[in-house]
Amino acid sequence: EVQLVESGGGLVKPGGSLRLSCAASGFTFSNAWMSWVRQAPGKGLEWVGRIKSKTDGGTTDYATPVKGRFTISRDDSKNTLYLQMNSLKTEDTAVYYCLNWNDKGGFHYWGQGTLVTVSS
Amino acid sequence: QSVLTQPPSVSGAPGQRVTISCTGSSSNIGAGFDVHWYQQLPGTAPKLLIYGNSNRPSGVPDRFSGSKSGTSASLAITGLQAEDEADYYCQSYDSSLSGYVFGTGTKVTVL
Repeated sequence: EVQLVESGGGLVKPGGSLRLSCAASGFTFSNAWMSWVRQAPGKGLEWVGRIKSKTDGGTTDYATPVKGRFTISRDDSKNTLYLQMNSLKTEDTAVYYCLNWNDKGGFHYWGQGTLVTVSS
Repeated sequence: QSVLTQPPSVSGAPGQRVTISCTGSSSNIGAGFDVHWYQQLPGTAPKLLIYGNSNRPSGVPDRFSGSKSGTSASLAITGLQAEDEADYYCQSYDSSLSGYVFGTGTKVTVL
């Protein structure tokens, strides 16, 4: 059974930093292209960024609003995905989900997410 | 920065058929990238409803169907039920943005 368990959320002041983690199980993590998606309170879904598998280059792509502030990384030995968030803004307040891209297309499995609140 | 446009809301009586449109452009749906649909019940995480334009994951009722044509896609719900009341999002890939994109979301209300 695929499981994606996000952690590390909390309250942080504007300009601060936070690192989210995602523990993955039930699939071959090292082969997976992983993404972060977020949802601000009462708003829609927004893709944050992704990291390809090391076999496919391990490169990253980011959405414009977070480019230069957020960094996605992975530790395949620990089956863990990370999201380092710096220079946080109030508009980054959201529930953050980590997801694996399915070979057939789409994000087939969703965890419960972790809430990040940026407020003074 | 949603580049996929959906109607904010649609509604229908129980048993009726409703459709949700997802309009994109030549850099996403029109470029041939697949469209996927998600259902988000109140207070819960999203759930995959349709992948690869028209495929249902196991466990999704056949009342839900997807299609794609040109720069748009559609999700149809036939035999609308009270438990279908939720938010629905389309999703694809955009070559100009080099990333995945979600639709603006549609709230389905069962009258």
